[in-house]
Amino acid sequence: SAVISQKPSRDICQRGTSLTIQCQVDSQVTMMFWYRQQPGQSLTLIATANQGSEATYESGFVIDKFPISRPNLTFSTLTVSNMSPEDSSIYLCSVFSSHLPSQYFGPGTRLLVL
Amino acid sequence: KQEVTQIPAALSVPEGENLVLNCSFTDSAIYNLQWFRQDPGKGLTSLLLIQSSQREQTSGRLNASLDKSSGRSTLYIAASQPGDSATYLCAVREAYQTGANNLFFGTGTRLTVIP
Repeated sequence: SAVISQKPSRDICQRGTSLTIQCQVDSQVTMMFWYRQQPGQSLTLIATANQGSEATYESGFVIDKFPISRPNLTFSTLTVSNMSPEDSSIYLCSVFSSHLPSQYFGPGTRLLVL
Repeated sequence: KQEVTQIPAALSVPEGENLVLNCSFTDSAIYNLQWFRQDPGKGLTSLLLIQSSQREQTSGRLNASLDKSSGRSTLYIAASQPGDSATYLCAVREAYQTGANNLFFGTGTRLTVIP
């Protein structure tokens, strides 16, 4: 299995500011992902975090709004930039690797933008 | 694009009842299907994973079935308990996805088990 931690677990932010969310895994993994879960909605993939190169973003998500870093095989960050109330969501880090039986999810970061 | 639907959106049952949650998907070319549990304010916990070649998986009081040809899966919970109260998410991984390793999620069924 994989144990994933996220920081912060929750935050309340003012519009126009930015927040960086950290994701740490207890073992090296091939793939790391960032998802968003808006209130009452299911999970939507934001991007795949690639080690040593730019993240791969899904349709509707752009690097300027959600810059992502992945400096090594156990750590990634997601920044939510220039926040608006519409960015209020739970943001989840997820990992997958050939040695794992399935995809694992972190506990999420609950973000409220006022 | 794969679309995953879960019915019902919410379900309340008295403790001890057996119940079934439904999941349907539009493209039958899937690699596997996974059921997750999500507790309020928490992440996702994987309950059962069914490979495309399998028909069902069991874990304790949980049984998940898969009918790939009809695009359906069910999660059966036996003898429900208040601790089963959570949102249950169904997700499919498409067979031809490479690299992105994307899961397509349903919107979930919010289950409440009443003591």
